[in-house]
Amino acid sequence: SQTIHQWPATLVQPVGSPLSLECTVEGTSNPNLYWYRQAAGRGLQLLFYSVGIGQISSEVPQNLSASRPQDRQFILSSKKLLLSDSGFYLCAWSLPSEAFFGQGTRLTVV
Amino acid sequence: GNSVTQMEGPVTLSEEAFLTINCTYTATGYPSLFWYVQYPGEGLQLLLKATKADDKGSNKGFEATYRKETTSFHLEKGSVQVSDSAVYFCALSAGNQFYFGTGTSLTVIP
Repeated sequence: SQTIHQWPATLVQPVGSPLSLECTVEGTSNPNLYWYRQAAGRGLQLLFYSVGIGQISSEVPQNLSASRPQDRQFILSSKKLLLSDSGFYLCAWSLPSEAFFGQGTRLTVV
Repeated sequence: GNSVTQMEGPVTLSEEAFLTINCTYTATGYPSLFWYVQYPGEGLQLLLKATKADDKGSNKGFEATYRKETTSFHLEKGSVQVSDSAVYFCALSAGNQFYFGTGTSLTVIP
């Protein structure tokens, strides 16, 4: 069966520090992969999606970046975090018939 | 383009009340439609889906009917419970991507 792993579950980072969130998928190949952010009390904002290794589309300009070094690995990064980067980050992968989400990472930038 | 619009919350209901959360969509072609649920501190889980016009998705007492003529996929439940308190997301799948609404927060009070 397919599963998705996302870590860490919670993270507290100082302003200006780097960020690396990792997501891996098992049980499928060549998945479409997504990073979403959910600010407190708000909906899902699509940050990045990828249809293949090295293929990243960015939906919003920001100080975050994404990479897909392997078929089932999706990494969200930042060189210098801002206070406004705080939020709940969700990784997902999809088939045409369904999207599957990780458990999320609660990021607090202090 | 493709987009989903759902009613804004928050919604507060008493236990056993009737629930409707409105969702309308804009899409090219024939999308599949979904409702996802997010419990506090967790990722999103698929609640129900419908893949073609007039299909009814149902799960855990929730229902939604794919209405092509009104481009709608409203979520309903006849009698909500405290355990239904969560954020509900309407979504559509078209091409390689999923498109989500902004989410509607539901709180059910005893």
